[in-house]
This record gives sequence, C-alpha cells and structure tokens, in this order.
Amino acid sequence: NAGVTQTPKFRVLKTGQSMTLLCAQDMNHEYMYWYRQDPGMGLRLIHYSVGEGTTAKGEVPDGYNVSRLKKQNFLLGLESAAPSQTSVYFCASQRARRTYEQYFGPGTRLTVT
Amino acid sequence: ELKVEQNPLFLSMQEGKNYTIYCNYSTTSDRLYWYRQDPGKSLESLFVLLSNGAVKQEGRLMASLDTKARLSTLHITAAVHDLSATYFCAVGHPSGSARQLTFGSGTQLTVLP
Repeated sequence: NAGVTQTPKFRVLKTGQSMTLLCAQDMNHEYMYWYRQDPGMGLRLIHYSVGEGTTAKGEVPDGYNVSRLKKQNFLLGLESAAPSQTSVYFCASQRARRTYEQYFGPGTRLTVT
Repeated sequence: ELKVEQNPLFLSMQEGKNYTIYCNYSTTSDRLYWYRQDPGKSLESLFVLLSNGAVKQEGRLMASLDTKARLSTLHITAAVHDLSATYFCAVGHPSGSARQLTFGSGTQLTVLP
C-alpha cells in the first residue's frame, strides 16, 4: 500500500515551458487535492476533485489546470510556467467524508527559471 | 473569507519544558486538523478535532478545540528533540458542500538539548 505518490520529485523548467505533475493514490479515496507550499507559508489549495471526472477551483487556481480521468489519478498541469510558480507542490487524498483527514504525498519541488 | 492564524511562528524551547501553540480562526467551522512536517518532508496527520471541547492526546502532544472561541491549542509536554518540526493547523470551510481546508502559516518548533 503505497498511499499517495507524486511524480516527479524534482523538476526545473524554463519560463514558458509546460509540464504535468502526476498524483496517484491506492486507497480508493474519492477526494483529491493539489496544494502549493511557499517558504514560510502554509499550504494553499490550487484545485480539488470530489470524484472521477470532476474538478473545482481552490484558492489559487490561476495558471494551472487539472484532470481526474481515473479515480486513482489527479493531474496538475502548468501550460506556460512562470517564476511565480516556483514552489513545492503537494497532492492529498481523502475518504468521502468531510471530517476525515487528508493524506499527503511526498511533494514535488518545482523551480521555474 | 476564512483566515487561520497560528502563533508563535517560531518557537525555540529547551528539552523538558512545556509550551503551547495557538491556532485562531475567523469563522465557524466543524473540523480542525493538526499536521506535522519535518524539513523537506510531507505532512503527517496528528489530530482531527470535530467538536467543541474535543481533546486528543498522543505521547507528549495534546490538542484541544474551543469552537466558541474559535481557538485550538497544541500543548507540548516535556519536549524532546524528536518533536522538532513545523506544526500546522488547518480548518475546514464552513460551507456544507465544500471540502476545502485553510492552513495556518505553521509554527517552526526547535527543541534544544
């Protein structure tokens, strides 16, 4: 049982390049989330999904797109990377009850130059 | 807009001492979480608090929730070096259909020998 995994762990992009971050969970969780964490700050929600085929915007969605084609996977895309998107990205999943805790992946450290 | 404030942001304490981290939030919520993050690592769930007066304890850590005061505390008893980490509180949004969490900025705890 791997829990929540993220690919890649590290990535360096040039401004304007695109990339996709993959999050996978093997716990059969309904809800999945993408957060970003910047130095000295808590996590901020980018997008989330409450089920296969559904997505919704979080607090800081601009510049990102997501897709949830399969229940176990949640993809985060950057179409045209900007230096402001340099951050650590965490994916999380949660069972289908609001009161349960979220389980986090190991994170992806992204640098945009 | 839900705001979550933690204090202190930095805490340096001697082994064996007690201290409390505070988490204040701005609007009514029915769930509050505490997470721990070690440097360069992901977030680990510590406590889930769901009702007024809830108290949970695990080892040297005890968390409590006062929903009327919109305040949660994380109390550290007889600190040891292994507790050095950043601690985040996260508050669930009050909307019935939302699953979002808003995180505090974190408290970076260093336990000195």
